[in-house]
Amino acid sequence: GAGVSQSPSNKVTEKGKDVELRCDPISGHTALYWYRQSLGQGLEFLIYFQGNSAPDKSGLPSDRFSAERTGGSVSTLTIQRTQQEDSAVYLCASSRGVQETQYFGPGTRLLVL
Amino acid sequence: GESVGLHLPTLSVQEGDNSIINCAYSNSASDYFIWYKQESGKGPQFIIDIRSNMDKRQGQRVTVLLNKTVKHLSLQIAATQPGDSAVYFCAEDSGGSNYKLTFGKGTLLTVNP
Repeated sequence: GAGVSQSPSNKVTEKGKDVELRCDPISGHTALYWYRQSLGQGLEFLIYFQGNSAPDKSGLPSDRFSAERTGGSVSTLTIQRTQQEDSAVYLCASSRGVQETQYFGPGTRLLVL
Repeated sequence: GESVGLHLPTLSVQEGDNSIINCAYSNSASDYFIWYKQESGKGPQFIIDIRSNMDKRQGQRVTVLLNKTVKHLSLQIAATQPGDSAVYFCAEDSGGSNYKLTFGKGTLLTVNP
């Protein structure tokens, strides 16, 4: 079946611009996660959505980062006034529920010049 | 082997040999552990998981061992193939959050034909 999809696959932007990254989770998965992976590093948790509950935003590195999940499905991660240190791979994952296997998308590679 | 917080270690093996990738975790409260494989340019791919009430779990060509006494996790790959070449991450569900995974920085496995 279809896995997690993300778009765009690559994004190059200039410092100070806003970017939006999209995630389409696996159909029927109630939990959705965003992670960030810097070059040669492990994954850093950013934000978590579960059903209609308030999202856990504890991993967002600054108030320039925000995320929404509309209709319990598609999610958008927005980074405002991008900085060079925001350059990374942004990965989305979804799972059927809490403490269920998280399945990852291919990621969006963001480069801020 | 791998430990959360250290630089990326590497493991090089010959095709057909068995591989063992190690991971040390820090949170004794963690009760769910996962191994992911990440090939270049792709998102992490689920390999196998184990819960803290088990000390061993087997999959196809892979075995995960959990030693809670010393907080150690290992992934064994039997008859390693060139297609197994990738970065392998262990992840733990730490702090009883039931969803937030903490990832190690990964081990680069290179399989020589």
